[in-house]
Amino acid sequence: QVQLQESGPGLVKPSETLSLTCAVSGYSISSGYYWGWIRQPPGKGLEWIGSIYHSGSTYYNTSLKSRVTISVDTSKNQFSLKLSSVTAADTAVYYCARASTLSYYMDVWGKGTTVTVSS
Amino acid sequence: QSALTQPPSVSGSPGQSVTISCTGTSSDVGGYNRVSWYQQPPGTAPKLIIYEVRNRPSGVPDRFSGSKSGNTASLTISGLQAEDEADYYCSSYTSSSTFVVFGGGTQLTVL
Repeated sequence: QVQLQESGPGLVKPSETLSLTCAVSGYSISSGYYWGWIRQPPGKGLEWIGSIYHSGSTYYNTSLKSRVTISVDTSKNQFSLKLSSVTAADTAVYYCARASTLSYYMDVWGKGTTVTVSS
Repeated sequence: QSALTQPPSVSGSPGQSVTISCTGTSSDVGGYNRVSWYQQPPGTAPKLIIYEVRNRPSGVPDRFSGSKSGNTASLTISGLQAEDEADYYCSSYTSSSTFVVFGGGTQLTVL
């Protein structure tokens, strides 16, 4: 059974960098699929942040592209998100997910982790 | 403002059917059969219930069905049950620079 688990600080100060990691179990990242991040501000809808392939190819939402970096560590079977220069608008539940390379649907999700941006 | 347009809320009584629409453009919903739907009960992560417009993952009841006409995709839930009460989101691949877009979500209330 494939499982994803997000981890990282729950509180980040404004202007700093948000860093999250998604540990994958039950499936090798190197075997395929895209691995992505999605966020959901309190009381709002889902927003796709970006995805990465095991080769390191990345695809970002252009509205966030200047601040986002997604990387993969196949030796640890995990991938990571960095979002720089955060503001209160970046407060959200952050989910990691596995996505189809053909049709981009997300078939396995982590439980999500809440990140609050506040001083 | 979300790229895909969904009604904010729908409701129905147990046993009835409801349909949730998802309207996009020829750059996303209308241009590709890469529409997916997610169910999100309160306080939980989204769960994939429909992919590639009309396909159901293993374990999803056949009460859930998807379709598409032009730039609008639809999710129909038949034989409504109390456990179906949740938020539902559509998503599509897009040839625009955002790559993947979501709808704003629809809250389903089972009366």
